Amino acid sequence: GNSVTQMEGPVTLSEEAFLTINCTYTATGYPSLFWYVQYPGEGLQLLLKATKADDKGSNKGFEATYRKETTSFHLEKGSVQVSDSAVYFCASNDYKLSFGAGTTVTVRA
Amino acid sequence: ETGVTQTPRHLVMGMTNKKSLKCEQHLGHNAMYWYKQSAKKPLELMFVYSLEERVENNSVPSRFSPECPNSSHLFLHLHTLQPEDSALYLCASSQDGPPVTNEKLFFGSGTQLSVL
Repeated sequence: GNSVTQMEGPVTLSEEAFLTINCTYTATGYPSLFWYVQYPGEGLQLLLKATKADDKGSNKGFEATYRKETTSFHLEKGSVQVSDSAVYFCASNDYKLSFGAGTTVTVRA
Repeated sequence: ETGVTQTPRHLVMGMTNKKSLKCEQHLGHNAMYWYKQSAKKPLELMFVYSLEERVENNSVPSRFSPECPNSSHLFLHLHTLQPEDSALYLCASSQDGPPVTNEKLFFGSGTQLSVL
């Protein structure tokens, strides 16, 4: 089956810092890959996705590139804001949905 | 607002109590899901209902009992829980039943459960 492993948190950084959250996947096929965000007190929301190798998903200044050679889908943002404080989940969909454990990100002013 | 509403937002219960979590979706979807979110663990799928029939039950202890009276409502009945059951319980819905791709899942805000 498929699964994802993402960087453990928590991650704390200052406003305008560069953010990277690592995510790697295992799958029998070629899964679609996703990042979800969960803001405080809210449910998970789809942030971005990529459906095949070398695809780049992007949204709200976040980007992630589907790397088949390294089986990775790392999330990046060049300049974070306090409003980006949230829990971020990597997820994959082969024949079954799988979510990572989540990474808590806190951005300080 | 995703169209999926969960109540209560927070729940504290003793191990001998019986309580229920409620989920309601206003999206006209046909499938509903219960997930368990524990700290530092992957999101765990507990139950799936499609057209009000349970289609997946992932080895969940019997102290958790789901109920789906119609396509808009989903309940999770709790009894004789253990402290390790403390977690955020998320409800989700999708237009079609499984298999479903991630982007078609709509999540509620969850019920934060604490078992004392």
